[in-house]
Amino acid sequence: DGGITQSPKYLFRKEGQNVTLSCEQNLNHDAMYWYRQDPGQGLRLIYYSQIVNDFQKGDIAEGYSVSREKKESFPLTVTSAQKNPTAFYLCANPWSSGAQDTQYFGPGTRLTVL
Amino acid sequence: SQQGEEDPQALSIQEGENATMNCSYKTSINNLQWYRQNSGRGLVHLILIRSNEREKHSGRLRVTLDTSKKSSSLLITASRAADTASYFCATDTTSYGKLTFGQGTILTVHP
Repeated sequence: DGGITQSPKYLFRKEGQNVTLSCEQNLNHDAMYWYRQDPGQGLRLIYYSQIVNDFQKGDIAEGYSVSREKKESFPLTVTSAQKNPTAFYLCANPWSSGAQDTQYFGPGTRLTVL
Repeated sequence: SQQGEEDPQALSIQEGENATMNCSYKTSINNLQWYRQNSGRGLVHLILIRSNEREKHSGRLRVTLDTSKKSSSLLITASRAADTASYFCATDTTSYGKLTFGQGTILTVHP
């Protein structure tokens, strides 16, 4: 999974609770991304960070928050304001070689709201 | 909104046959990438094609890009049961690698 770890693999949450998903990388890369995937759908970008202490909203940031206090860590908090939080969450780390930018993905966290 | 639209949504073939998946997009791109996802797992990068390239090969994979039609295709030759997965195209329209993904094609290869 390209040096990216996500925990936990499965997460259950009661409605109205905040929950934090972990993403750690050992690739020493500046940028990190969070995506959400719903069944039968592609990935949608939630938040991304290009450098420590800086992050930007993606296409579906409402109901989510992030922090980037350390280069190796980019935790995602799913707040109670997120109306449909049940989904598969993927963290990714861009990798560049010359002009090519690909992304390494973590194994994902499947969040289920009960 | 999704930048990439993939076709077909699902494809079922026999082992040994070729599989072709198509991706269309709306805006100019820097590059287009194909990823594979096994059920319940993270995505794995397969191949990247730049906007000034027309065709690229990697093993049994062949990707074409037609920027005039804003479309790309992924061909998997001599498919195997292990190729069963979802395949996604993703477009890079920025200078810093921000990708926009299509909805994917579910490929099933029957042994």
